[in-house]
Amino acid sequence: KQEVTQIPAALSVPEGENLVLNCSFTDSAIYNLQWFRQDPGKGLTSLLLIQSSQREQTSGRLNASLDKSSGRSTLYIAASQPGDSATYLCAVRNDYKLSFGAGTTVTVRA
Amino acid sequence: DTGVSQNPRHKITKRGQNVTFRCDPISEHNRLYWYRQTLGQGPEFLTYFQNEAQLEKSRLLSDRFSAERPKGSFSTLEIQRTEQGDSAMYLCASSEASGGQETQYFGPGTRLLVL
Repeated sequence: KQEVTQIPAALSVPEGENLVLNCSFTDSAIYNLQWFRQDPGKGLTSLLLIQSSQREQTSGRLNASLDKSSGRSTLYIAASQPGDSATYLCAVRNDYKLSFGAGTTVTVRA
Repeated sequence: DTGVSQNPRHKITKRGQNVTFRCDPISEHNRLYWYRQTLGQGPEFLTYFQNEAQLEKSRLLSDRFSAERPKGSFSTLEIQRTEQGDSAMYLCASSEASGGQETQYFGPGTRLLVL
């Protein structure tokens, strides 16, 4: 059974600082890994998808890396803004279903 | 294309009542998923449809839960004889089968509160 862990559970940083969010998973036989953003009481917004054959993906201020052999992914958010405050969820895909971590709740202080 | 939609957005019910939720996926997507999310946790997989066929059900989906996807379009999730432990956010997602690039797109969820 796939287990996904996200550390830290919560993070508070001043505006402008770079964010580093970590995700680890136990079963490396994955198709891909997705990072999602979730605002309070809302659904999930897909941020980045990294295929199992890729090492990283970038979108604007976001960069995600994947080390499948060690079961780890890291999401970097450059120059954080108050609008980045949300919970960030990591999910790995085995077969067709996603297994999620519990998320990292980020607060960016103005 | 307006994305994945779910109705209702909120539902309050009394213990023992039946509830039904609806999910409308992105129109060209042949795969549809239901997940459940409780406070402070990530979503957990409940069930999966490929077109109209329900291909897997999680052990979380007790016999009080049933899901359908008639004609491979919208899907419904029904909970019979609700219990307080059913209180959660129910999320629907859809995707188009495309190997390693397959991205699941989520709806806004239905928040259920069982009193």
